Amino acid sequence: DGGITQSPKYLFRKEGQNVTLSCEQNLNHDAMYWYRQDPGQGLRLIYYSQIVNDFQKGDIAEGYSVSREKKESFPLTVTSAQKNPTAFYLCASSISRGNTGELFFGEGSRLTVL
Amino acid sequence: KNEVEQSPQNLTAQEGEFITINCSYSVGISALHWLQQHPGGGIVSLFMLSSGKKKHGRLIATINIQEKHSSLHITASHPRDSAVYICAVKLSGSARQLTFGSGTQLTVLP
Repeated sequence: DGGITQSPKYLFRKEGQNVTLSCEQNLNHDAMYWYRQDPGQGLRLIYYSQIVNDFQKGDIAEGYSVSREKKESFPLTVTSAQKNPTAFYLCASSISRGNTGELFFGEGSRLTVL
Repeated sequence: KNEVEQSPQNLTAQEGEFITINCSYSVGISALHWLQQHPGGGIVSLFMLSSGKKKHGRLIATINIQEKHSSLHITASHPRDSAVYICAVKLSGSARQLTFGSGTQLTVLP
């Protein structure tokens, strides 16, 4: 079945470590997104990509990095520069960024810094 | 002030009740989405609308562009409807994909 797969579902990190969250989609979507969710707040955009080898910063990109080497993959690295990384991270995709069509979400990855 | 406001933040209902969740926005939009987030965290899209009304099963979504307001209704609610319901808007002329409300936690008791 088509969809978005995020891994790992749960991740624990020590302070000072970088971690990478995986996001893979088999929907043949051009646009992919990473969002961060904190309790009581709406989803906030970290990075987005409209096409392979291109990506743009969202509202809260500091301390994060991404790559888009393949259409189906958009991994997010949470670096040690991110001061408050404990959060729930959601990856999403849509047919194209300019389209107002449906967003498809993964099941999310919960990162906890020890 | 948030561009997207949802009410109520929390809602508890008895099984069978008719439920309404509201979403107000303060700027021009090109589309509005209603999303459902399950307890495990995954999100599914329920509706995308730019005018009028849409229905899917027991769910109905309406939007009033002039009043900048949308409602999500659930008829004959069931405990499996318990989830967080999120409103998100595509701002007209904005470079961002969507702006999200903070969600409404719905609990339906048997």
